Amino acid sequence: AQSVAQPEDQVNVAEGNPLTVKCTYSVSGNPYLFWYVQYPNRGLQFLLKYITGDNLVKGSYGFEAEFNKSQTSFHLKKPSALVSDSALYFCAVRDRGSGNTGKLIFGQGTTLQVKP
Amino acid sequence: DVKVTQSSRYLVKRTGEKVFLECVQDMDHENMFWYRQDPGLGLRLIYFSYDVKMKEKGDIPEGYSVSREKKERFSLILESASTNQTSMYLCASRTGTLDEQYFGPGTRLTVT
Repeated sequence: AQSVAQPEDQVNVAEGNPLTVKCTYSVSGNPYLFWYVQYPNRGLQFLLKYITGDNLVKGSYGFEAEFNKSQTSFHLKKPSALVSDSALYFCAVRDRGSGNTGKLIFGQGTTLQVKP
Repeated sequence: DVKVTQSSRYLVKRTGEKVFLECVQDMDHENMFWYRQDPGLGLRLIYFSYDVKMKEKGDIPEGYSVSREKKERFSLILESASTNQTSMYLCASRTGTLDEQYFGPGTRLTVT
């Protein structure tokens, strides 16, 4: 079965420090991977995706993610955290067996708390 | 910018009521989705529509139905609301299967 895991419920980091939000996946074949962010009382916003090509993907708001096939990971990173980055982050993988749906399987989410 | 709007931000309904949640997107997207979001469970797909009048069940369709009579509008219907349907409901749309989904702001539904 295809799945996504976000092993940390919460990540705490000081403003200005680098941040990492972890994601691992289990899929058959090549994965299509996504990161979304949800600010309080808002819907999800797309950050970045990996479909093919360069393993380092750059996205919105200075975020990037590194696809690592051998470790089946797609960790989200940012060199210098901002307080305004505090939010709920979701990793997702496209379900390759879902036909027309191409539905996404979401992780359970990781709350990022950036302290001043 | 793509805009996905949902009819209500907050909704309180009684057990047994029929509930309609409306979603409208303005980018002519083919695909639309309804999810529910619960703490610790992430997002779970309720229903998906890949064209007008076309729909597919997601992972948790029980107790829900959908309607898509026009391309821009996708409605989620709770035929007889129950307390275990208290949740945040998110609508999304996208163009193709490799494209990102655009989400609405969500409807927080409370069933008492």
